[in-house]
Amino acid sequence: DVKVTQSSRYLVKRTGEKVFLECVQDMDHENMFWYRQDPGLGLRLIYFSYDVKMKEKGDIPEGYSVSREKKERFSLILESASTNQTSMYLCASSLRGNAFFGQGTRLTVV
Amino acid sequence: AQTVTQSQPEMSVQEAETVTLSCTYDTSENNYYLFWYKQPPSRQMILVIRQEAYKQQNATENRFSVNFQKAAKSFSLKISDSQLGDTAMYFCAFMKLGNNDMRFGAGTRLTVKP
Repeated sequence: DVKVTQSSRYLVKRTGEKVFLECVQDMDHENMFWYRQDPGLGLRLIYFSYDVKMKEKGDIPEGYSVSREKKERFSLILESASTNQTSMYLCASSLRGNAFFGQGTRLTVV
Repeated sequence: AQTVTQSQPEMSVQEAETVTLSCTYDTSENNYYLFWYKQPPSRQMILVIRQEAYKQQNATENRFSVNFQKAAKSFSLKISDSQLGDTAMYFCAFMKLGNNDMRFGAGTRLTVKP
């Protein structure tokens, strides 16, 4: 059974904190993605990676960075969390046109 | 970048009836994938149906079928014999070949009424 696992389901952080959201997949997929989901806006692509140490900006990369040191792990980093980054974050991986999603992390920045 | 538009923020349908969700997209690519995903309150994204752009035949999956119009860049989802369990957010998505860059529409909230 394919698996994409996000490290936390719910997270509460303070403004200015450095936040790490972790995503691990066990399918040996090359492509991994981070999305942000907000009501009325759907899923917006933050960053994606098509190989280890490779990354591409999506539509809303500002305020975020990513790290992919190993094929199975793709981390999203909020360098200095702000209240407007309160949202649901979804990780996905894909190979040859098949995509699989994690269960989502609801991040609240207070 | 590709854009995906879902023009119906909310829809409702009576149980056992048929409903169609609309999706249009904009791309200069010739080969790509299109998807419909369902997201119930559990938040897990569930693949409903997948279409490869090079295939002219519309994809079907039990009660779910699509109307893929490549020239018009339209990809609508038809749900037949709607069930209460179909109540969810539905997202249309476009995926490029190669790096699988995937973009989503804003979603349609579907409510099936008993």
